[in-house]
Formats: sequence, C-alpha cells, structure tokens
Amino acid sequence: GEDVEQSLFLSVREGDSSVINCTYTDSSSTYLYWYKQEPGAGLQLLTYIFSNMDMKQDQRLTVLLNKKDKHLSLRIADTQTGDSAIYFCAELRGNKLVFGAGTILRVKS
Amino acid sequence: NAGVTQTPKFQVLKTGQSMTLQCAQDMNHNSMYWYRQDPGMGLRLIYYSASEGTTDKGEVPNGYNVSRLNKREFSLRLESAAPSQTSVYFCATRAGQGNYGYTFGSGTRLTVV
Repeated sequence: GEDVEQSLFLSVREGDSSVINCTYTDSSSTYLYWYKQEPGAGLQLLTYIFSNMDMKQDQRLTVLLNKKDKHLSLRIADTQTGDSAIYFCAELRGNKLVFGAGTILRVKS
Repeated sequence: NAGVTQTPKFQVLKTGQSMTLQCAQDMNHNSMYWYRQDPGMGLRLIYYSASEGTTDKGEVPNGYNVSRLNKREFSLRLESAAPSQTSVYFCATRAGQGNYGYTFGSGTRLTVV
C-alpha cells in the first residue's frame, strides 16, 4: 500500500520509556524521519535514520529499524511531561516526505 | 534568522471567498511544499516546488493553486473557499538531496464558514 502507518495514541507514566511504532512502504533505500509537534506549533525534526542502518541513538532518543518488516520505532527514555506531543514518522520518497497520521503521546505525572 | 515564515497565522473566510497564504524562507533552500493537516489524517501534500520556476501537484491539489514567486517565496491560493478546506496549512522547505528533512513554518489555521 501507499500509507505510512502509526498507532494513534500512547499513554505512559513520567519516568517510564515510551515506544512509538511506525510501518513504512518503500523498499528502496531511503531516509526515515521522526518529527514532534507540540500544540499550536509546527513540526520539529527530532531525528532521522537511513534505511541501511539498524539503530541510531541521540541522547534520550533511540530509533530502531527492521528493514525486513519495514518497521520503525522511536524509543524515548525517561519520558517527561514536556514530551507530551504528537509524533510523526515520515518516509522520503523522491524529494517528498510522506507522513503517518501521528501518534499522540500523553505523559502522566 | 527567521527560517520559514507563514502569514497569516489565523484566518476565517466565508464560503466562496478567496485568499492567498504566504510562505517565505531565508535558508536558501531549493524545495518548498504546502501541506494540510487534518485530525487523524496526518499531513497531506497539496503542491510542491522542487526548485524556483517549477511547481507540481501533490496528493490533494483540487481547489488550490500555487506560485513560486522566487527562490524565497511560495504562495498557496484558494480561489473559492469551501468548508472542506478548513484545516491547518503548513509550509515546509528542504535543502536538496540526501538526508535533509523538512523545516516547517508555524502554520496557518484556516476556518471556512
């Protein structure tokens, strides 16, 4: 199919780890991105990974890529209330990004 | 250094009215994009411009037109607004090839009544 798919909602307790999942579709080499959107704001690039990599870590963020299953995940360690937002995964196709519908992350204190 | 600037931030239109959403960037990026964001549907591409002087349709172009006025500016026009065009509109830019993601503006919230 054409879609980039994400689970719609995730609720975690402050201090726990969050894992947000995404499946993509393009089988060719490409870049995959995670964006964060806070209420009333635009999208902010968090991190990206090239499709020949398995993992990328950047401070509290870990991106895991299963190329065989076309599955991408974003792990946020020690989740804080400031991490509450919508998280979008996106796949680069040609010179355009195709976005998932977004996962709402709610962090309970 | 403003990045990507969208104007206006908010707008209410009556059905049938026209308006132009403006987007300007100061990052010297080649490619510019217009997306709309609707609840539960993520971001859908309306039009894009890979470089100055070119424009192409995206996923949902009907009811919209665009102009790439110069390298800095990319405008989106609604000729006859409809309630189905109520949405949040984002402009984005991209430097070029490789790992470059998008840089987004802060959005225009449009309501058509």
